[in-house]
Amino acid sequence: GQQVMQIPQYQHVQEGEDFTTYCNSSTTLSNIQWYKQRPGGHPVFLIQLVKSGEVKKQKRLTFQFGEAKKNSSLHITATQTTDVGTYFCAGQGAQKLVFGQGTRLTINP
Amino acid sequence: ETGVTQTPRHLVMGMTNKKSLKCEQHLGHNAMYWYKQSAKKPLELMFVYSLEERVENNSVPSRFSPECPNSSHLFLHLHTLQPEDSALYLCASSHRTGAGETQYFGPGTRLLVL
Repeated sequence: GQQVMQIPQYQHVQEGEDFTTYCNSSTTLSNIQWYKQRPGGHPVFLIQLVKSGEVKKQKRLTFQFGEAKKNSSLHITATQTTDVGTYFCAGQGAQKLVFGQGTRLTINP
Repeated sequence: ETGVTQTPRHLVMGMTNKKSLKCEQHLGHNAMYWYKQSAKKPLELMFVYSLEERVENNSVPSRFSPECPNSSHLFLHLHTLQPEDSALYLCASSHRTGAGETQYFGPGTRLLVL
């Protein structure tokens, strides 16, 4: 069945450093979504990418969708303490949305 | 707020108890989901209901019993749970179309089984 792998599982950075998490699907996706879960909170939708090679930005966050529509990345420039949390990608297949395992980001102020 | 509410927010139960988790969505969505979130499996899909019919059951033990009486409400009935069932139980809803879906999560019920 459809699988979505996300790496790394954990990432610790110094405040101000950049951060990237990667997502790979075993099948071609119709879209990919990113969610953020703050510590003690619940996943919240961030963005959806639909087109091959699409790049979207939200302030310091840059989201990319691969040309083959099987992989994606989220890059945060100059992390801030408010960026802590777990970032999940979710790949939309033919039948369902499958979540990756998430990347937990911690930041040293 | 996401428009998805869950009660209770915290629950402690013994292994012989019976309890129910409730989820309500106010977004007009046509699909609802139960997820289990623990340290071992960050986001584990349990059940999916679309148009009030169960469309997915990911090999969940029978001690978890879902119920979807209408498109706005979803329950998870719990009985004779095990300590390893302690986790955060998240409900989500979405508007399922042929093009896909975006899921909106509730705040979760943090369950501790003693």
